[in-house]
Amino acid sequence: DAGVTQSPTHLIKTRGQQVTLRCSPKSGHDTVSWYQQALGQGPQFIFQYYEEEERQRGNFPDRFSGHQFPNYSSELNVNALLLGDSALYLCASSYFPSLNTEAFFGQGTRLTVV
Amino acid sequence: DQQVKQNSPSLSVQEGRISILNCDYTNSMFDYFLWYKKYPAEGPTFLISISSIKDKNEDGRFTVFLNKSAKHLSLHIVPSQPGDSAVYFCAASPLIQGAQKLVFGQGTRLTINP
Repeated sequence: DAGVTQSPTHLIKTRGQQVTLRCSPKSGHDTVSWYQQALGQGPQFIFQYYEEEERQRGNFPDRFSGHQFPNYSSELNVNALLLGDSALYLCASSYFPSLNTEAFFGQGTRLTVV
Repeated sequence: DQQVKQNSPSLSVQEGRISILNCDYTNSMFDYFLWYKKYPAEGPTFLISISSIKDKNEDGRFTVFLNKSAKHLSLHIVPSQPGDSAVYFCAASPLIQGAQKLVFGQGTRLTINP
């Protein structure tokens, strides 16, 4: 049973460019959340997708957008990259109807903006 | 506004002894708490959770204690093993949201010395 998979694992982009990160949830999960983890900090919630819609959003600008596909996989898009967007981006999946459960995380995508 | 705080950035414990990691929260809406462990180059791995209807939850060597009046929780690992060396994150959420939108602390780096 494959867990949460993310691609790519590493990425280097230039300021002002756009980037797309991808996530496939754990089998049986229907909800995908994205987190940004800056160096030395805990993960910060970006947004959550369920039934192909953004359901909740954290304190991130509109440059951060996403999408969920019918097979529950998801993309995170970041436009007009800034140096401060350099971070580890984590995808987590869970099963929406089950409240008392944990989220499973992927290994992350390390984004470096130069 | 740091709603979940782990005030010890690092902790060093002798193998076989007890490791105690602490976490404080400020948001009284939080009633579901989780601990994750993270190795370098991997995503966070779920360890143990507790909801506010309990004050203790055990799973093998791991026990989480919740003190709602003090808005404090702790993770006890006994006995500590070298493989427990990792960064530990405390996370919280309103139970109505389950694991859908987690607020993380900054993490505590635990080192188990042989």
